[in-house]
Amino acid sequence: QVQLQESGPGLVKPSETLSLNCTVSGGSIHSYYWSWIRQSPEKGLEWIGHIYYRGTTNYNPSLKSRVTISVDMSKSYFSLNLRSVTAADTAVYYCARQAAVGLNNLWGRGTLVTVSS
Amino acid sequence: DVQMTQSPSTLSASVGDRVTITCRASLSISDWLAWYQQKPGKAPNLLVYKASYLESDVPSRFSGGGSGTEFTLTISSLQPDDFATYYCQQYNYDPYTFGQGTKLELK
Repeated sequence: QVQLQESGPGLVKPSETLSLNCTVSGGSIHSYYWSWIRQSPEKGLEWIGHIYYRGTTNYNPSLKSRVTISVDMSKSYFSLNLRSVTAADTAVYYCARQAAVGLNNLWGRGTLVTVSS
Repeated sequence: DVQMTQSPSTLSASVGDRVTITCRASLSISDWLAWYQQKPGKAPNLLVYKASYLESDVPSRFSGGGSGTEFTLTISSLQPDDFATYYCQQYNYDPYTFGQGTKLELK
């Protein structure tokens, strides 16, 4: 049974970079799109971007200038880097697998990231 | 961006009731519409994709419908486990966007 698990710091200082990993276990990272989504009370659920297992990416234009998503097939994980964070980036961050482009059918448990000095 | 608007924001109902949640898109998304259920402290869980197809293991009391700009999620007979927040999401155009959610609460 495929499972996803987010990992990374729960606290990030303003202007620094938020970095999260999503480990895929119980299955292959091959042949799927993998996404990052965040949720905050202010903005609700927001798609951040996705990556195809071969490395092709697509980002939300509202975050594109600050986001990088990458994948490490040999280690079965993919990563999110969000640069120059502010308090508005405080949210629960989820990683997910897409059954079809844009359709998230398997989610990690989520991890709360707070941006604060 | 395609704006997704759900109604109502909150719905009070009893076990056994039939309830319907509506989702409207700001432009036509064909049938590229998904519904998710989220319980407190948990990740969203996919219920319906392509407007009307039930994800595997989703009970048949759930059904989805609609196309273009107007969509519905119906629960035919509410069970205690169904009280949660429901979100629609379009995946026809990126950025893929979600509705603001409908909280289904016990009357």
